Amino acid sequence: GQQVMQIPQYQHVQEGEDFTTYCNSSTTLSNIQWYKQRPGGHPVFLIQLVKSGEVKKQKRLTFQFGEAKKNSSLHITATQTTDVGTYFCAPSNTGKLIFGQGTTLQVKP
Amino acid sequence: DTAVSQTPKYLVTQMGNDKSIKCEQNLGHDTMYWYKQDSKKFLKIMFSYNNKELIINETVPNRFSPKSPDKAHLNLHINSLELGDSAVYFCASSPTSNSPLHFGNGTRLTVT
Repeated sequence: GQQVMQIPQYQHVQEGEDFTTYCNSSTTLSNIQWYKQRPGGHPVFLIQLVKSGEVKKQKRLTFQFGEAKKNSSLHITATQTTDVGTYFCAPSNTGKLIFGQGTTLQVKP
Repeated sequence: DTAVSQTPKYLVTQMGNDKSIKCEQNLGHDTMYWYKQDSKKFLKIMFSYNNKELIINETVPNRFSPKSPDKAHLNLHINSLELGDSAVYFCASSPTSNSPLHFGNGTRLTVT
């Protein structure tokens, strides 16, 4: 079945530093979604990537879909304390969203 | 407000009891889901319904029974609760099965 590996599991950064989380799949994906969950909150949809090699930006967040559509990354430039939370990738292959293990980001002010 | 709302927010109960969690969405979405999030934040899909019809049923004990009276509601009934059922249960909805999910605020279930 479809397997997703998301790394790292945890990341502590100083405010202002950059942050990247990676999502790798064992199978080719039709699309991938990214979500953010604040502490004590619920997952909130950030973006969906569909095309091979696609790059999308949302302010300081850059999302990338690999050329082979097997991996994806989320990069945050100059982190802020508001970026704290757990970031999940959620690839879709068979019409079913499978969530990665998530990367929990802590930002020290 | 347009949203996915689930009740209760917190549920504390003893082993062996039966409990229900309700979910309603007013977004007009066709597909609804139940996800379980454990203490390590791992989000696992349990069930998915499309227009009241069950389309995904992951490996979930028979003690868990979803019910969808109409496409705006998806309730989750749990029989004979066990300690391992303690988790946060999220309801979600989406326009179609491949679309982004809108999550409810979650129900934190604690079984003692």
